[in-house]
Amino acid sequence: DAKTTQPTSMDCAEGRAANLPCNHSTISGNEYVYWYRQIHSQGPQYIIHGLKNNETNEMASLIITEDRKSSTLILPHATLRDTAVYYCIVRAYSGAGSYQLTFGKGTKLSVIP
Amino acid sequence: NAGVTQTPKFQVLKTGQSMTLQCAQDMNHEYMSWYRQDPGMGLRLIHYSVGAGITDQGEVPNGYNVSRSTTEDFPLRLLSAAPSQTSVYFCASSYALQASYEQYFGPGTRLTVT
Repeated sequence: DAKTTQPTSMDCAEGRAANLPCNHSTISGNEYVYWYRQIHSQGPQYIIHGLKNNETNEMASLIITEDRKSSTLILPHATLRDTAVYYCIVRAYSGAGSYQLTFGKGTKLSVIP
Repeated sequence: NAGVTQTPKFQVLKTGQSMTLQCAQDMNHEYMSWYRQDPGMGLRLIHYSVGAGITDQGEVPNGYNVSRSTTEDFPLRLLSAAPSQTSVYFCASSYALQASYEQYFGPGTRLTVT
């Protein structure tokens, strides 16, 4: 799987949009971009994923650059409950590389009142 | 649906003891896996299973055994506990291997080996 690079930590004011960047410059054509988060030692929680196009669901939006070398997770109106570690992961579509989610250290997002 | 459940939530073992961490899911998922998470680190894959009767090793399999006799259950056995196995263990499941399916995680088992 391609490596990802994320900032170690970020702050965001409550009610504002949180924009979490991720670099994955070695991503290959069959790899999806995934975002998970982990709130205070709970099990990781799936947020969103995408291949080429921007994606939106009830939790967040995912913006993937045209060359697919980077992406941004957007939490439109951050709340205190969004304080967590956010992991950006790339994962192959199928085959041996598709079974594993490779978690790095992620970005610690702190939402400030 | 209960989702992915894990028992126990906490466990303390002495070096050399053995034990089994339980994991069950009620979503009829084919794929199940075990991860460990050490303080300040990301998750590392221990073992995984693509269906009943089929298991394989992940990144850090040494000291652990698994079996998958049913679709629902995927227990993780520590053969002879060592302090290096002190960690938080997460079980996960998903419909299939394809990357289009997200993984669902259990709440974790916090294991301390003294």
